[in-house]
Amino acid sequence: DQQVKQNSPSLSVQEGRISILNCDYTNSMFDYFLWYKKYPAEGPTFLISISSIKDKNEDGRFTVFLNKSAKHLSLHIVPSQPGDSAVYFCAASAPDNDMRFGAGTRLTVKP
Amino acid sequence: DAMVIQNPRYQVTQFGKPVTLSCSQTLNHNVMYWYQQKSSQAPKLLFHYYDKDFNNEADTPDNFQSRRPNTSFCFLDIRSPGLGDAAMYLCATSSPGNYGYTFGSGTRLTVV
Repeated sequence: DQQVKQNSPSLSVQEGRISILNCDYTNSMFDYFLWYKKYPAEGPTFLISISSIKDKNEDGRFTVFLNKSAKHLSLHIVPSQPGDSAVYFCAASAPDNDMRFGAGTRLTVKP
Repeated sequence: DAMVIQNPRYQVTQFGKPVTLSCSQTLNHNVMYWYQQKSSQAPKLLFHYYDKDFNNEADTPDNFQSRRPNTSFCFLDIRSPGLGDAAMYLCATSSPGNYGYTFGSGTRLTVV
């Protein structure tokens, strides 16, 4: 039962342009959402998060948008840089429950 | 720096030969997790410890066991590895009230 879905396995963007990574979820009990970034041969590292009481959270070049009615969140990276090339995992958690992850989207930012 | 350390980074084991992966943390987090991640798939939770309380996911095979002798260390034991167990194994920690997890670098297991 895949409660968190990232339907795009890969995304390629030109340097300087916007990267938009999408994530959908099915469990309406999820109340906290996170994005993790993973480089090859390393563990995922926390990038940005958003609580269900918000619809937007911004941290520098990274912004996460949450649409609760659509059970959809997205990560925007503006402007994209080659160093942003990595796999991005969407994750969600409900109170007192473990985190569930999407399958990841591999972002490639071309110089 | 406080961190989560997994050893070894790469492990090759023979089909059916028991193998142990280790994880240590300096964060003093109560909760430690083991995830299995296969290529192009979401990390799959195998089990976790809340302090000494062990919580097994319903679909985790019996072949997978875990030990947590103290707060800092957690081990993943695979009693009889099969070819299908080849994957990246990720250890993560968290503390109550903190939604974020801190991950180790993972151990990539190859079964030959």
